[in-house]
Amino acid sequence: QSALTQPASVSGSPGQSITISCTGTSSDIGGYNYVSWYQQHPGKAPKVMIHDVTDRPSGVSNRFSGSKSGNTASLTISGLQAEDEADYYCSSYTSGRRTVFGGGTKLTVL
Amino acid sequence: QVTLRESGPALVKPTQTLTLTCTFSGFSLSTSGMCVSWIRQPPGKALEWLARIDWDDDKYYSTSLKTRLTISKDTSKNQVVLTMTNMGPVDTATYYCARIRSSGWIDYWGQGTLVTVSS
Repeated sequence: QSALTQPASVSGSPGQSITISCTGTSSDIGGYNYVSWYQQHPGKAPKVMIHDVTDRPSGVSNRFSGSKSGNTASLTISGLQAEDEADYYCSSYTSGRRTVFGGGTKLTVL
Repeated sequence: QVTLRESGPALVKPTQTLTLTCTFSGFSLSTSGMCVSWIRQPPGKALEWLARIDWDDDKYYSTSLKTRLTISKDTSKNQVVLTMTNMGPVDTATYYCARIRSSGWIDYWGQGTLVTVSS
């Protein structure tokens, strides 16, 4: 399975909103409502921010939201804060109960 | 609470077989719906999903690595073992074990263990 496609980097100023896209195919993102998003700070394990396209785990700020249209999923972070600066990875369930990750997006808070 | 911890060699030689053990607590792999996956991340690069084992002993592998991977579980010890054969320098990475939901999202991660492949 090929990796999902994400922009290498995005940036925004504190208080602004940003959106990270994640493009796959009908065999992964387009075929299932099982997209998740992970935040990873340097030297740390990833942390789930969104699962099943739009669901936020307990404890995750409501500034994080997810959506999907066709073969593309998106993560939106509103009210950017300095602590949001991190790498973000999308992931999708794919055929055969496999999982595929995106290439990752580095978010810089200016 | 749920915890996972990876253990194994920090250094392996090219062509050798890597064996990693994930020891977990806070859940049982004999409980319906429980699954554990292995994921790796080369230095400075993206996450890559490797394998998954389910409570019913069903196993799933990355299509690109399936000929080199074997995943197994020991429910009595709360452990999942991953073996990867014919290791090469490109396999240098931090290897994570994680609890994965049936729909494919990961709710708990281990701290990861760095494996370097070098002669």
